[in-house]
Amino acid sequence: LAKTTQPISMDSYEGQEVNITCSHNNIATNDYITWYQQFPSQGPRFIIQGYKTKVTNEVASLFIPADRKSSTLSLPRVSLSDTAVYYCLVGALTDKLIFGTGTRLQVFP
Amino acid sequence: EAGVTQSPTHLIKTRGQQATLRCSPISGHTSVYWYQQALGLGLQFLLWYDEGEERNRGNFPPRFSGRQFPNYSSELNVNALELEDSALYLCASRSTGSDTQYFGPGTRLTVL
Repeated sequence: LAKTTQPISMDSYEGQEVNITCSHNNIATNDYITWYQQFPSQGPRFIIQGYKTKVTNEVASLFIPADRKSSTLSLPRVSLSDTAVYYCLVGALTDKLIFGTGTRLQVFP
Repeated sequence: EAGVTQSPTHLIKTRGQQATLRCSPISGHTSVYWYQQALGLGLQFLLWYDEGEERNRGNFPPRFSGRQFPNYSSELNVNALELEDSALYLCASRSTGSDTQYFGPGTRLTVL
């Protein structure tokens, strides 16, 4: 899996939009970009996956520029319950997943 | 559709004992993965089973072993438990042709 770099932590307030950027300079042609969310003492939860341009679901949006060397997870109007660690993974996810340290998002009232 | 389930939720053992953790994948998923997450650390890959066979193994000693049953459920066995084996053990499943692994809630193993 390609190496990824994310901010260690981010703070936000309820109702704001949060954008978490992940850098993956050595992404391969066949690699997908996937984001997981993890709450303390729980398993990671799949949020969104994309290959290029923009992907949107009921939870988040994923923006991928043309060169695919980075991606941005966008969480609209966050709430306190969005406080969690967010992981960006790049590669073919059919084999083992390699999780980095992720981004710890803290949402304040 | 039911998600990945794991049992037990919590498990307390003493050093030297054996622990058995169980995982039931999402219906129709044939691949099962095991990960270890020590407190405050990231997830570490343990084992991958697919169609009853071990496909890949992480950098863990042989006392970590497992198997996958014909119904695709899986067991993780940890022998000769050590204090540092205390962690959250997560199971994930994936269907053939899909790129997405779905995780269960985990089993919290505490070794005293």
